[in-house]
Amino acid sequence: GDSVTQMEGPVTLSEEAFLTINCTYTATGYPSLFWYVQYPGEGLQLLLKATKADDKGSNKGFEATYRKETTSFHLEKGSVQVSDSAVYFCALTDGSGNTGKLIFGQGTTLQVKP
Amino acid sequence: EAGVTQFPSHSVIEKGQTVTLRCDPISGHDNLYWYRRVMGKEIKFLLHFVKESKQDESGMPNNRFLAERTGGTYSTLKVQPAELEDSGVYFCASSQVGPGNNEQFFGPGTRLTVL
Repeated sequence: GDSVTQMEGPVTLSEEAFLTINCTYTATGYPSLFWYVQYPGEGLQLLLKATKADDKGSNKGFEATYRKETTSFHLEKGSVQVSDSAVYFCALTDGSGNTGKLIFGQGTTLQVKP
Repeated sequence: EAGVTQFPSHSVIEKGQTVTLRCDPISGHDNLYWYRRVMGKEIKFLLHFVKESKQDESGMPNNRFLAERTGGTYSTLKVQPAELEDSGVYFCASSQVGPGNNEQFFGPGTRLTVL
């Protein structure tokens, strides 16, 4: 079945460092890809998405490009801030059906130190 | 516009007891999803409602879990009897219209601890 694999955390960075969180997927069909973020004490929020190959999703300085050839959707940010500390989840829509359910990776905890 | 709300935020119960979780979706959202994250692992799909009908319940772990959405508004997820492995964070999400790429809006989750 469809699946998502994320790099294991936690990831600890200093403020203004470059961030990469790796995400690879296995899917049938043509899934859409997402990054969700969960800040402490809050629910998941959609950070960005891409719906077809070579699309780039971007938001709040974060970017990710849908790479079909490498089945990847790595999250990047050029300069992280303390406020970016959160858990980041890579996800895809189920390409085999049409329920719209999301399939998530295990999450990567990011801690940014001042 | 109010977001997705869930109640309670935390629940601590003993093995064998019953717990009912509630989710209120965003008004007008026909799609309602339940997910669960156990022990820091991936968030897993449990089931999907379209209005009051169960569209997909392939992720429900076993028959101790019962989800309802009477009237197509709020939804409840009952665990009876609860087991230790049911501990985790239960998320609810809702979205507009039909399936596909419509954004799912998530609630803050209910943290369930079974002792």
